[in-house]
Amino acid sequence: DTGVSQDPRHKITKRGQNVTFRCDPISEHNRLYWYRQTLGQGPEFLTYFQNEAQLEKSRLLSDRFSAERPKGSFSTLEIQRTEQGDSAMYLCASSLGGRGSGNTIYFGEGSWLTVV
Amino acid sequence: AQSVTQLGSHVSVSEGALVLLRCNYSSSVPPYLFWYVQYPNQGLQLLLKYTSAATLVKGINGFEAEFKKSETSFHLTKPSAHMSDAAEYFCAVSFKTGANNLFFGTGTRLTVIP
Repeated sequence: DTGVSQDPRHKITKRGQNVTFRCDPISEHNRLYWYRQTLGQGPEFLTYFQNEAQLEKSRLLSDRFSAERPKGSFSTLEIQRTEQGDSAMYLCASSLGGRGSGNTIYFGEGSWLTVV
Repeated sequence: AQSVTQLGSHVSVSEGALVLLRCNYSSSVPPYLFWYVQYPNQGLQLLLKYTSAATLVKGINGFEAEFKKSETSFHLTKPSAHMSDAAEYFCAVSFKTGANNLFFGTGTRLTVIP
C-alpha cells in the first residue's frame, strides 16, 4: 500500500502525559500536513511542511504541540502535557507541490487520541 | 475571507433515490474545490476535485459535482443512492494563489434508508 500511513491508530493517555504520532507520506510527495478533527466537525489545519521545512502553523498549534519532519520524509507530531481538550483524531496528509499539481491532498487513516 | 458552507448537517435518502449534498464557497480568488468522504473511524478519501478545467466533475463511486461560479456552489450529486454511500461528506476549498492547505466545511452525514 503506497498511501499515507499513520501510527498509532489509537492512543489512550492520561492527562499530563506526552504522546507522539508518526506519519509516513506518499513517497514522492514533498508536502506534508497535519490536521485535527473533533467529533462532528471538519478537519482543521494545524501545520504544513515542504520537504523538511515547516512553513506554516495554525494558531491552533499551541506551544504544547511540536511537529518535525527531519529528513523530509516521515513526520512526527508530539503533544506535551496532554489535556482533555486534545482528544481528537489527528490526520496526516501529503501532496505533490508545484505547478499543475492541482493541490490534491491525500489523507491517512488518522490517529485517534483519547485523554482521560 | 475564504470559507466553505455545507447546508444540512444530516441528509437522509431512500436507496435508489437522488443524492444531493450542498456546498457553497466564499473566495476572493479562484478556488480549487474538493469533496471528500469519511467512513466511520477512518480518514478522508477523495471523491472528486475541481481545478478550473471542466465545470462538471466526475468522481469515484458514481458521484459528480458541478462548479457554478455565479452561484458560488459546488454541490455533490449521485443519481441513485446505495447503502454503501452512507458516510460523512466534506466539501473543502483551497486557493490557487499561495494557500497550501484545505479549508473544510462542517460535513454532511448521509443516511441511506433501505
